[in-house]
Amino acid sequence: SQQGEEDPQALSIQEGENATMNCSYKTSINNLQWYRQNSGRGLVHLILIRSNEREKHSGRLRVTLDTSKKSSSLLITASRAADTASYFCATSYNFNKFYFGSGTKLNVKP
Amino acid sequence: NAGVTQTPKFQVLKTGQSMTLQCAQDMNHNSMYWYRQDPGMGLRLIYYSASEGTTDKGEVPNGYNVSRLNKREFSLRLESAAPSQTSVYFCASSEAGTSGKETQYFGPGTRLLVL
Repeated sequence: SQQGEEDPQALSIQEGENATMNCSYKTSINNLQWYRQNSGRGLVHLILIRSNEREKHSGRLRVTLDTSKKSSSLLITASRAADTASYFCATSYNFNKFYFGSGTKLNVKP
Repeated sequence: NAGVTQTPKFQVLKTGQSMTLQCAQDMNHNSMYWYRQDPGMGLRLIYYSASEGTTDKGEVPNGYNVSRLNKREFSLRLESAAPSQTSVYFCASSEAGTSGKETQYFGPGTRLLVL
């Protein structure tokens, strides 16, 4: 499978703490994206990082990409209860097809 | 702007029945996608359409057919439903193919139960 794989599968933290989740993939990519899914809902795009970028920020989100290790990480700083959701990485190989990992389930306790 | 809409929201079928899932987007996107999501898993691509008039298989196309009716609409058909097709189906659209615009926008999903 060309899917990315997230790690850990589940993460439980206290409000205010940082949350880090990782994504590994198998072959060269054009870009990697992170999405959030609240329970039972559709996915919402968070951030996109290109293969020639190493780090990107958006609000409380920080994404890094290491193409030599074929891995990416998503850091959510100062987490809130509203950040409770599943987070997925999606890798793109030809700009038209995307492969999603199985996700990290984040629980932020108030 | 409704974004991506899907109908129906929920459907129960008996094994062997057929149905069509509808998807429409109002963002003038070229590319549209159908995914399925099984419990506790990520999304798997069933079919996609890079532009009006073209469709291509994804990871799990068996048992499904698609039609890109026009730029706005992309339907998914199950000709003879099987219990293994019980899943949540998501439609998405994007301007993929253009660097910098690969963000996908998802519909709310269709929950399908095949008995």
